Amino acid sequence: DIVMTQSPDSLAVSLGERATINCKSSQSVLYSSNNQNCLAWYQQKPGQPPKLLIYWASTRESGVPDRFSGSGSGTDFTLTISSLQAEDVAVYYCQQYYLTPYTFGQGTKLEIK
Amino acid sequence: QVQLQESGPGLVKPSETLSLTCTVSDGSISSYIWSWIRQPPGKGLEWIGYIFYSGSTNYNPSLKSRVTISVDTSKNQFSLKLSSVTAADTAVYYCARVGGNGDNPREAFDVWGQGTMVTVSS
Repeated sequence: DIVMTQSPDSLAVSLGERATINCKSSQSVLYSSNNQNCLAWYQQKPGQPPKLLIYWASTRESGVPDRFSGSGSGTDFTLTISSLQAEDVAVYYCQQYYLTPYTFGQGTKLEIK
Repeated sequence: QVQLQESGPGLVKPSETLSLTCTVSDGSISSYIWSWIRQPPGKGLEWIGYIFYSGSTNYNPSLKSRVTISVDTSKNQFSLKLSSVTAADTAVYYCARVGGNGDNPREAFDVWGQGTMVTVSS
């Protein structure tokens, strides 16, 4: 299985400041057929299902604010929130969909400082 | 926008079979790939498996011996059966749609149901 490891496990950031979450996969998730990385980011608020934010490592899902961005390639990926808003408090998960079984990171809890 | 809704018993006895259904509304189940994912209380997400609208499946090897996912296109539903459950199967179970155009499972999960809590207890 591809192991997804996120860092940090938790993060406290002041409103308006930048938040950065990292995700490392145990092997490359680069899909040679389209030269895209099979890496997604989800946001999960308490009592809600995960919400897709980013796919193909850097493509923002429709309707997602542009303060959310994804970057990285191969085995190392980053989710950046450029200016933290109160509504961004949540747990964030990365997920690889390159090989089954699809696997998720352990989650990063983002709070307001 | 397509919506997904899970349904099924919230309590299952140990050693019995967990059965859930996901109803797809405001869209067709055809031409997409559909998945089940679960989340134990306070823990992370685990992919269970997916099914093409045509009925072809792929399961997580950790659960493969106990899992069956099926689709009923006439009812716009797909289902999960997990046999011989234990307390470790207690979780919120989500159904989700694999994005893209339905012919390649290498896509993110773009639509999720609200989830249903299933507790395994006698």
